[in-house]
Amino acid sequence: NAGVTQTPKFQVLKTGQSMTLQCAQDMNHEYMSWYRQDPGMGLRLIHYSVGAGITDQGEVPNGYNVSRSTTEDFPLRLLSAAPSQTSVYFCASSYGVQASDEQYFGPGTRLTVT
Amino acid sequence: GDSVTQMEGPVTLSEEAFLTINCTYTATGYPSLFWYVQYPGEGLQLLLKATKADDKGSNKGFEATYRKETTSFHLEKGSVQVSDSAVYFCALSDPFSSGSARQLTFGSGTQLTVLP
Repeated sequence: NAGVTQTPKFQVLKTGQSMTLQCAQDMNHEYMSWYRQDPGMGLRLIHYSVGAGITDQGEVPNGYNVSRSTTEDFPLRLLSAAPSQTSVYFCASSYGVQASDEQYFGPGTRLTVT
Repeated sequence: GDSVTQMEGPVTLSEEAFLTINCTYTATGYPSLFWYVQYPGEGLQLLLKATKADDKGSNKGFEATYRKETTSFHLEKGSVQVSDSAVYFCALSDPFSSGSARQLTFGSGTQLTVLP
């Protein structure tokens, strides 16, 4: 199993540009989510999905869109990048529905918006 | 809302020293508690967890006990190694909070550096 994979690893955007961060998992997990990591703030939830065709907002959803057309993939779209979106983005997935279930994280995408 | 407060870092220790990283939490319900570790250039990985009061999670020589009376989940290791250098995150998942039951609420992270 490759686990959770993310591409690209690094990206530099200019303000106003759009892009999609890719996330895929091969563990047949129903639950997937996106977090952003900023210095001194831990990780914060952007969007999540409990299964194909179902998505919902997390703590900091503004400026981001998601879709879930398959169980495996959960892309994150930045519609019009802003410097405040400079961050490290992590995708995560888990199999079960319980709060106690382990989440598996991808290696992250480091995004810089100039 | 739910929150996690972690000991401020960075923490620098010599090899074989004793490690404690403090973590306290507030939660609406009865959360599950986790410690995740992030090695340089990598994503987060689960280090240990506990799901009910007085449970002790342990892995790779690290331990943490779920203390409901003090709302704490402090991470300890008796003898750290250079390879333990990483960022450590305390987190909770609260099944009674609004939104996804599997949402993790993280502390701000503690950078640990172990010197040979």
